[in-house]
Amino acid sequence: AQSVAQPEDQVNVAEGNPLTVKCTYSVSGNPYLFWYVQYPNRGLQFLLKYITGDNLVKGSYGFEAEFNKSQTSFHLKKPSALVSDSALYFCAVRDIVRGGTYKYIFGTGTRLKVLA
Amino acid sequence: NAGVTQTPKFQVLKTGQSMTLQCAQDMNHNSMYWYRQDPGMGLRLIYYSASEGTTDKGEVPNGYNVSRLNKREFSLRLESAAPSQTSVYFCASSQGQYSNQPQHFGDGTRLSIL
Repeated sequence: AQSVAQPEDQVNVAEGNPLTVKCTYSVSGNPYLFWYVQYPNRGLQFLLKYITGDNLVKGSYGFEAEFNKSQTSFHLKKPSALVSDSALYFCAVRDIVRGGTYKYIFGTGTRLKVLA
Repeated sequence: NAGVTQTPKFQVLKTGQSMTLQCAQDMNHNSMYWYRQDPGMGLRLIYYSASEGTTDKGEVPNGYNVSRLNKREFSLRLESAAPSQTSVYFCASSQGQYSNQPQHFGDGTRLSIL
């Protein structure tokens, strides 16, 4: 079964410093990986995805993610953190069920706190 | 440009009461999903609908029923609410088969069961 793990419940980083939010995955076959962000009292918003191709994926708000097949990781990164980046971040993997339907398995989330 | 709309935004129920959470999307998506979000547990899939006319159980379906009313609407029903169903419920939609586009989420329904 497909799964993702986010090993850190919370990440603290100073404003202006680079940030990394970690995600590891376990899949059979090719992985289709996603990052979402959730601000307070809002739904999840899509940041970026890896389907195939370049291992460095660029997304919204200056975020990027590095796909590493040998380490089965898909870490979210940003070169310079902003206070406004403080939010809850979710990694997800897409699974294919019967009939070719997609469903998505989410990690438990990592709270990012950027300190001014 | 509404995307995915959920109603109501907040609700308080007593144990044993029933209610239906509504979800509608205006993106002409084929697939729709219901999740619950609990602290430390991420999002867990309750039910999903691959396309109009089909529904399937997800990870945590017990105590819930769903209806895919048409292509736009997908409702979640609690027949006899229990305190363990206190949670934030999210509806999502996606294009579905053969598409690499991501899911779109509503802003959630915050449900408390006393």
